[in-house]
Amino acid sequence: DAGVIQSPRHEVTEMGQEVTLRCKLISGHNSLFWYRQTMMRGLELLIYFNNNVPIDDSGMPEDRFSAKMPNASFSTLKIQPSEPRDSAVYFCASSTTGSLYGYTFGSGTRLTVV
Amino acid sequence: QKEVEQNSGPLSVPEGAIASLNCTYSDRGSQSFFWYRQYSGKSPELIMSIYSNGDKEDGRFTAQLNKASQYVSLLIRDSQPSDSATYLCAGSNTGGFKTIFGAGTRLFVKA
Repeated sequence: DAGVIQSPRHEVTEMGQEVTLRCKLISGHNSLFWYRQTMMRGLELLIYFNNNVPIDDSGMPEDRFSAKMPNASFSTLKIQPSEPRDSAVYFCASSTTGSLYGYTFGSGTRLTVV
Repeated sequence: QKEVEQNSGPLSVPEGAIASLNCTYSDRGSQSFFWYRQYSGKSPELIMSIYSNGDKEDGRFTAQLNKASQYVSLLIRDSQPSDSATYLCAGSNTGGFKTIFGAGTRLFVKA
């Protein structure tokens, strides 16, 4: 079991550029969650999917953020255009049957927008 | 706004002592509760889950839940320097999809 795999680990980009974060779920998991973590706001839930379907995207901060799950094992989070206030660590996590039994987190992507 | 509240700490305990971490939540619909440990620069790691009122023990860790008081706690017995980390309390709703995390409590265990 390779765990939840995120890429890239670090991303530094200039304001206005498009950023794409990637996540591969654990095999057999059917729920996928994107979180953002900052010192000021802690862990914030952005969006979650169940069986490839977005269930709740109310945590997505703005229309600049979008997320997709093109198949059962892979998801992307895109920010276009990026802004300095988007700088944070972005985690994806997966689980079975929603979050009833807790999540397995990926190692995160540290995004810096300059 | 559904919230999970934790004292940010830091909580400092000597090696071998019991560390007590506390958490309150506002959503009475929350059914499942979790404690995650996060080392600096790492991702959160699930260490305990609890669904029913009372205590649940796993090794040196004991989780306690009181739904009437909307209170969750984590006790770490025989604390070790390797337990030094941020501990995140989280609650999940009835549907099991939306887990809300507290801001975390930083724990330092002094050797």
